[in-house]
Parts: sequence; structure tokens; C-alpha cells
Amino acid sequence: AQSVTQLGSHVSVSEGALVLLRCNYSSSVPPYLFWYVQYPNQGLQLLLKYTSAATLVKGINGFEAEFKKSETSFHLTKPSAHMSDAAEYFCAVSLFATNKLIFGTGTLLAVQP
Amino acid sequence: NAGVTQTPKFRVLKTGQSMTLLCAQDMNHEYMYWYRQDPGMGLRLIHYSVGEGTTAKGEVPDGYNVSRLKKQNFLLGLESAAPSQTSVYFCASRHPDSLGNTIYFGEGSWLTVV
Repeated sequence: AQSVTQLGSHVSVSEGALVLLRCNYSSSVPPYLFWYVQYPNQGLQLLLKYTSAATLVKGINGFEAEFKKSETSFHLTKPSAHMSDAAEYFCAVSLFATNKLIFGTGTLLAVQP
Repeated sequence: NAGVTQTPKFRVLKTGQSMTLLCAQDMNHEYMYWYRQDPGMGLRLIHYSVGEGTTAKGEVPDGYNVSRLKKQNFLLGLESAAPSQTSVYFCASRHPDSLGNTIYFGEGSWLTVV
């Protein structure tokens, strides 16, 4: 069964520093991959998604992610963190021939001034 | 444009009580989902539906029932609430044309079982 693993339940960076949130997937076939962001007491909002087009995907708020099949990874990055980026981030996978979207356990990003 | 709307937003239940969470979407989506979110566990799929009149079990279906009598509505029921069902519940919907299509979430329903 497909799944996603997010390494690091908590990540803290300084404002202006690089943000790197890790996501690895397990799947025997190419998956669709997503990153969602959740601000406190809100629902989830799509940041970006990979659907087998370009391997480098650009999303909202300056985030991007690169699909690396050889490493089964889909890490989320942002060159310069902003205070408003503090939130919880979820990686998710959806497989062809299933109707389900499976989420990782989330990474809480803290941005220090 | 309302998108995905969940009611109620907050509810406190006593152990053994029953209740129904309502999810409504106005995007004409075929697929609808119910997730629960617990600290450190991410979102786990409870039940889902691929169309009116259909439902299927997700990862954690025990203790819950669902119904999809109308395309726009997806109801989640707790027949006999337990403290372990204290959680935040999210409804979501998606168009089926492509599994790469964005899934849209409601704003969540906070349920406490005492």
C-alpha cells in the first residue's frame, strides 16, 4: 500500500533561512504527490502538486518541491522563510486506480525572528 | 462561493450519545471524504464516497457510519460516541476526472467526547 513519511515532526528555522521539509513516499507505481499547509484552527490549503509533468513544481507563497523518483522523495523548500510561513505542513499521496488521498503525519514549522 | 461547508463547527458529547456531522459541497464533486486529525498522526481517512449512494471504508472506519443520499451532502454519524473519538474532523471533496485534481477541505469540526 502506498504511504508517505515525513521526517521531522517539528522544524524550526530563522526568518530568512532556507526551509526544507522532507517527504518520502512508498509506491510501486508513479504517484501523484501533494503538499498542503494548515494554519492554526483552519482547514488544509493546497501548496503544490506533482502529477507527472515537470519534476520541479512551484507552488504558492514561494514554495517549491522536486520529485525525485530515484530517492522516492518530494521535499518541500523555500529559499527564505517568513514569519507567516509558520504552520503545519502535510505531504500526501494519491495513486492511480485508487480514490484515496493518504497523508503523512505532518511537520510543524516554526519561524524564529 | 461556499466550497465545502461543515456543520457543526464545535460540539461536546457525552460518552454513548450519538450525533451526525454534515458536509455540504457546492462544486458538483463526485468524490467526498471524511478525515479525522489527531496530534502526531496527521489526517486519517475514515470513510469516503465516489458518488451519490456509494460509500467505502477508509483507514479508521470503526465506530462511524456515513451516508451519501444526495450528491452534495456527505454525512458522518457516531452512533455511540467514545472518548477516543475526540478529534478534529475534516470533510473534503474532489472532481474525479484526474487523481491529480485538487482536493478541497472544509474548515473542520471540533468534537469532544467526555
